[in-house]
Amino acid sequence: KQEVTQIPAALSVPEGENLVLNCSFTDSAIYNLQWFRQDPGKGLTSLLLIQSSQREQTSGRLNASLDKSSGRSTLYIAASQPGDSATYLCAVKIRLDSNYQLIWGAGTKLIIKP
Amino acid sequence: GAVVSQHPSRVICKSGTSVKIECRSLDFQATTMFWYRQFPKQSLMLMATSNEGSKATYEQGVEKDKFLINHASLTLSTLTVTSAHPEDSSFYICSGQTLEGSTDTQYFGPGTRLTVL
Repeated sequence: KQEVTQIPAALSVPEGENLVLNCSFTDSAIYNLQWFRQDPGKGLTSLLLIQSSQREQTSGRLNASLDKSSGRSTLYIAASQPGDSATYLCAVKIRLDSNYQLIWGAGTKLIIKP
Repeated sequence: GAVVSQHPSRVICKSGTSVKIECRSLDFQATTMFWYRQFPKQSLMLMATSNEGSKATYEQGVEKDKFLINHASLTLSTLTVTSAHPEDSSFYICSGQTLEGSTDTQYFGPGTRLTVL
């Protein structure tokens, strides 16, 4: 059974620092992996999607890596800003019978202090 | 990106009452809609998958008679929590799925906070 774990559960850093969020999964048979941002009262926003055949994806100050063999992904945030404060979720997409399903981590709550 | 709305955003009800939550895809047709539940500091847990015009498929451990799902059109799905109890208090999130190119993409609603007294 696929399980997704995110470490740390919470992180507080001063503005301007670079930081890394971690996501691990137990079964390497994934279709893709996504990083989302969740803000209170708002929907989930997809940040980066890495296909199973890819190693990394970049968008602005964000870089996500994927190592399927070790079951790990990292989300790197450069030059953090207070507006980056949110909960970051990772999810792996797996094939289940004839459908696909997202399996989610519990998230990392990130606070960027001005 | 595409937009999914949920209504209401927040609801407080008495134990034993029923609550209906609406999920709408505003600018796309969602052939499939998903309903998730999220408890504090925990993962999103898939409750059910619904395809327009057919019965929802419920995940193991989710009572279909308690969580009624209707997917009457390609832009609307509803979740009704029947005879709600305090343990049903949670954050409910829906998502609509559409095909973009060759990839199924999910767009998520903002969630509904249900508190049962």
